[in-house]
Parts: sequence; structure tokens; C-alpha cells
Amino acid sequence: GENVEQHPSTLSVQEGDSAVIKCTYSDSASNYFPWYKQELGKRPQLIIDIRSNVGEKKDQRIAVTLNKTAKHFSLHITETQPEDSAVYFCAASTSGTYKYIFGTGTRLKVLA
Amino acid sequence: GAVVSQHPSWVICKSGTSVKIECRSLDFQATTMFWYRQFPKQSLMLMATSNEGSKATYEQGVEKDKFLINHASLTLSTLTVTSAHPEDSSFYICSARIGETQYFGPGTRLLVL
Repeated sequence: GENVEQHPSTLSVQEGDSAVIKCTYSDSASNYFPWYKQELGKRPQLIIDIRSNVGEKKDQRIAVTLNKTAKHFSLHITETQPEDSAVYFCAASTSGTYKYIFGTGTRLKVLA
Repeated sequence: GAVVSQHPSWVICKSGTSVKIECRSLDFQATTMFWYRQFPKQSLMLMATSNEGSKATYEQGVEKDKFLINHASLTLSTLTVTSAHPEDSSFYICSARIGETQYFGPGTRLLVL
């Protein structure tokens, strides 16, 4: 079945620096890749997503890139702020099932 | 838009009792909802897919007789943990689907004593 690997597991950056989180998926049929932010004890919140027919998508300080050939996708956060501190999860989904397989999560700490 | 609620937000119960958790889509209809389980500092693990008007589809290793799922309407899915044991203590989160995107509920923290 589908497997999603996520790195790094923890990431500390200085405020204003950029943060990059990388995921790799195994199922070539996966075609939808959302990213969620989860603060402690709260629900996961969708921050950005990308479909397999697009290589890059940007929304203000957040961008996602997708390399279908390599089965890699990455989250880029620029100009990080303390409120960006949270756990970030990537996921992969296959059209038809709509099931998400989540990565293991990245705990991001933005140091003021 | 796309608000999902869960009730209760937390529950403490004795071992051997059953606990029901409700998941509601408040401002949209959802033919498909999902139930996840999340242990501390771990990822979300899909337990089952809940389809309105039909039987749920369970992931491998999830006991369907222990985790009963009912999706009787387009806005409500319920998860019943039957004969709960301490190892069932966890954070249970539901989601409701709009297209390819899932919107998550706030979660239910279950503690079984």
C-alpha cells in the first residue's frame, strides 16, 4: 500500500528564516497532496495543497513543489514567524478512494 | 465554511464500557467521512472510511466489531468504541470530505480507566 515518508521530524529555525519540509510517497497513482498544520491539542488545518498536474503552488509565504517523477513533494515556508510553530503533516491521496496517507509529521519551532 | 464538529471533546470512562463519538458537518453535506486515531506526538492513522447509507470500510488491523461506525445521514457519522480498554485511550479525530479535501473535527480525547 501507499507509504509516505516525511523529513525532518523536528526543525528549528530563526524567525525570518525559511523552513523546508520534504515528503516522499510510494504509490504512483497518488494525485493529490495536501499539507496540514496542527497546533497542540487542536485539529489539523489545511494550509496548502497541490494536484499532480501542477508542479508548484504558492500562497503568500507558503509554497509547495511536486516532482512526480521522483515522487517527492515539499513544503516551503518563507519569512517564518513564531506563530508558524506547530506540527506539519503531509499527505498523499489517490483519486477514487479519497483516503489520505499521512506522513509522520514535522515539529517546527520558530525561535524569536 | 467547511466546519466539522465533534462531540464530546473529551471523555473518561471505565474499562468495559462503550463510548460513542459524534462527528457532524455543520455547513455542508458529506457522503464520506473518515475516522482517525492519533497517539501523542504521532501521526494520524486512518481507522475507517464512513460512507453515508452503506457499511464503513475499515483499514487493515482495525477491528470492525470493536469500533462501530454509523453514517446514517449526510451530516452525521458516529464512532462507538465498544468494551473500551485502557489501550483504546487516544485522540480520535474525524474528517469530512469535500471533493479531494478533508476538513477535520476538533477531536475527542478518550481516557479509559
